[in-house]
Amino acid sequence: NAGVTQTPKFQVLKTGQSMTLQCAQDMNHNSMYWYRQDPGMGLRLIYYSASEGTTDKGEVPNGYNVSRLNKREFSLRLESAAPSQTSVYFCASSLRQGVTEAFFGQGTRLTVV
Amino acid sequence: GQQVMQIPQYQHVQEGEDFTTYCNSSTTLSNIQWYKQRPGGHPVFLIQLVKSGEVKKQKRLTFQFGEAKKNSSLHITATQTTDVGTYFCAGAPGNQFYFGTGTSLTVIP
Repeated sequence: NAGVTQTPKFQVLKTGQSMTLQCAQDMNHNSMYWYRQDPGMGLRLIYYSASEGTTDKGEVPNGYNVSRLNKREFSLRLESAAPSQTSVYFCASSLRQGVTEAFFGQGTRLTVV
Repeated sequence: GQQVMQIPQYQHVQEGEDFTTYCNSSTTLSNIQWYKQRPGGHPVFLIQLVKSGEVKKQKRLTFQFGEAKKNSSLHITATQTTDVGTYFCAGAPGNQFYFGTGTSLTVIP
């Protein structure tokens, strides 16, 4: 039982490059989330998917897109990376949005140079 | 903007001292959760509070939810080096949780 799996763990991008962060959960959770974590800023919600087939913007969606591929998988895409997107990204899932606990992946440390 | 505020941002304590972190929201919360993140790790769920005035304990950790459901606190009695990490609250004013900025706890042996 792996829980929430994120790939890759580390990534360095040049400004303007694109990439997709992958996330999969095996807990049959309905809701999935992408957060970014920056020093002193806590965890800020980028996008979320309350259930399969739906996605919504969170607090800081600019520069990102998401796809809920199926119930298990939720990907985050940076179309044109910027240095301001240097951060640690966490994927999380929960059974019910806003009600039950969230389980987090191990994180992706992204550096944009 | 940040919907849930958390103080202090940093706390250094001697091993054996107590520690408290506070979480405040400008709006009423339906429930609040607490998470712990070890250095280099990911947030791990600790507990959820739902009822007004609720108090829950986990060994040396005591969690409280305010009567107005706008604030919460986490108190650790007699800290140990294993308590090191960042503690986050996450409040749900609606159907979404908003994380506080976290309190980073350092325990000096």
